[in-house]
Amino acid sequence: GNSVTQMEGPVTLSEEAFLTINCTYTATGYPSLFWYVQYPGEGLQLLLKATKADDKGSNKGFEATYRKETTSFHLEKGSVQVSDSAVYFCALRNNAGNNRKLIWGLGTSLAVNP
Amino acid sequence: GAGVSQSPSNKVTEKGKDVELRCDPISGHTALYWYRQSLGQGLEFLIYFQGNSAPDKSGLPSDRFSAERTGGSVSTLTIQRTQQEDSAVYLCASSFGGAADTQYFGPGTRLTVL
Repeated sequence: GNSVTQMEGPVTLSEEAFLTINCTYTATGYPSLFWYVQYPGEGLQLLLKATKADDKGSNKGFEATYRKETTSFHLEKGSVQVSDSAVYFCALRNNAGNNRKLIWGLGTSLAVNP
Repeated sequence: GAGVSQSPSNKVTEKGKDVELRCDPISGHTALYWYRQSLGQGLEFLIYFQGNSAPDKSGLPSDRFSAERTGGSVSTLTIQRTQQEDSAVYLCASSFGGAADTQYFGPGTRLTVL
């Protein structure tokens, strides 16, 4: 079946530190991969995505590369800010069928201290 | 333009009562999804509507849950005879329905069953 595993939080960093949040997946076929972010008091919003192997998604200084050989989609940012404090969700969509539902990781809470 | 809206934002009900949750998708989006976000469970898919096709109900946890989408737009998720384990945030998302589309999420309805 399809599943997503992401590192457990909470993650606490100082401002300007390097961030990595690990995400690995299990899927049949060739899924699309996503990172969504949920800021405090706000709804889920797409952060970045990649639709095929070796694609790199990027947005707001965050990057993630679709690695088929390691079935991973780790989220990275070189220098985090306090405003990056949020919960980050890794997700996949299996494109083999007609259903476009997202399969989610459990989320990783990030707190960035000044 | 307007995003996905959901109502009510909060709902407190007594065990055994029925509840209705509403979702207004982004205009022009043909696909609509319901997810549930429970503490410790992460996000789980409930049901998916795509145009005039029969909905994919494979994620509904029991026959107490049902959903409809009228006129290809507004959707209502109904939970009958609510139980305490139904307490969660219910999220609605919509998209254009294409293979590489992005799902846009509403702010959610927080349901508390006493």
